[in-house]
Amino acid sequence: GAGVSQSPRYKVAKRGQDVALRCDPISGHVSLFWYQQALGQGPEFLTYFQNEAQLDKSGLPSDRFFAERPEGSVSTLKIQRTQQEDSAVYLCASSSPTGTPRETQYFGPGTRLLVL
Amino acid sequence: AQKITQTQPGMFVQEKEAVTLDCTYDTSDPSYGLFWYKQPSSGEMIFLIYQGSYDQQNATEGRYSLNFQKARKSANLVISASQLGDSAMYFCAMREENTGGFKTIFGAGTRLFVKA
Repeated sequence: GAGVSQSPRYKVAKRGQDVALRCDPISGHVSLFWYQQALGQGPEFLTYFQNEAQLDKSGLPSDRFFAERPEGSVSTLKIQRTQQEDSAVYLCASSSPTGTPRETQYFGPGTRLLVL
Repeated sequence: AQKITQTQPGMFVQEKEAVTLDCTYDTSDPSYGLFWYKQPSSGEMIFLIYQGSYDQQNATEGRYSLNFQKARKSANLVISASQLGDSAMYFCAMREENTGGFKTIFGAGTRLFVKA
């Protein structure tokens, strides 16, 4: 597709449920990022993939959060035993790495997760 | 410590006038990049403009320009000839080369309201 797509766009989960959020990056983009955006805040980095390798997962808030990108394209962010504080918009971004800070990330529309 | 500070939670501007959105940053890395993104109510983050720490000139992209004052560590966004469609959240962000260029750190954002 032309841009980054994410599904579902909206997800309502009961506390304790597991959820899986999908990201389809721009075709050919090697780098993929996940961010968490709480209401009224800027996005916060969660994790980064280069192809299938997860190079940085320092932003994942707990071991309930897990991300994978097994074939180096589509990525899934999984949250186990969801808690109310997990309610946020989860943004995915992809880029074609330049090895410099100049690299521009292209964002998807996000998945809005509400945990009741 | 806050790496990106946006001190204006909300700004109003009259249509067709110019507006400046403030951003200050904190880094000890000599090589870094500064970004501005627009986030309309649809939720998608739209890249607007980039400024590299070694760039000699202020970046410009159409109606957007970046007032980069390196010594003051500020990177204000100037939007000229405001349009109603400019109403959105605006985020300042930074990527430092020392982190391997993986993480982008965002500010809390400024909500811009353009009045007809």
